[in-house]
Amino acid sequence: NAGVTQTPKFRILKIGQSMTLQCTQDMNHNYMYWYRQDPGMGLKLIYYSVGAGITDKGEVPNGYNVSRSTTEDFPLRLELAAPSQTSVYFCASMRGLGEKLFFGSGTQLSVL
Amino acid sequence: GESVGLHLPTLSVQEGDNSIINCAYSNSASDYFIWYKQESGKGPQFIIDIRSNMDKRQGQRVTVLLNKTVKHLSLQIAATQPGDSAVYFCAIPRETDTNAGKSTFGDGTTLTVKP
Repeated sequence: NAGVTQTPKFRILKIGQSMTLQCTQDMNHNYMYWYRQDPGMGLKLIYYSVGAGITDKGEVPNGYNVSRSTTEDFPLRLELAAPSQTSVYFCASMRGLGEKLFFGSGTQLSVL
Repeated sequence: GESVGLHLPTLSVQEGDNSIINCAYSNSASDYFIWYKQESGKGPQFIIDIRSNMDKRQGQRVTVLLNKTVKHLSLQIAATQPGDSAVYFCAIPRETDTNAGKSTFGDGTTLTVKP
């Protein structure tokens, strides 16, 4: 049981490039979330999904996109990367309402 | 909406001492609270939770206290060890379908344990 797996762990992008951050979970959780964490700060919600085929915006969705074609996978797409997107990105999943989050180990992204 | 704040962004303690990390919240209707621990280079990990019908809950070396009157909760770590060095977040999950279980996180307290 691997839990929540994120790839890649590190990535450097040039301004204007695009990339997809991968997230997969093997716990059959319906709820999945993408957060970003800036240095010394808490977690800000980018996008979330309550099940396959359903996604919605969080607090800071601009510049990002997501899809949820299966229960297991919840990729985050960055189009036209900007320096403001330099951050650590965490994917998380949850079995149901009122339960705890399980986090991946994060992707550290630098946009230069 | 809900907001979550911490009293101290950093805390330094001597190994073997007890640590207390505090958190304040704004919404008196909040019903469920979680503490997460984030070690360097890793994602946050669940430590302990508490519901509003309790004042205190104990785990292994950790205790969470909830004071609903002043909207405050604290995480106490007994006999702090070097492995406890991490960032600690309090979080308030929203438990309705319309909120999709989204959690509000505090900014975190960085605990440093001195040998």
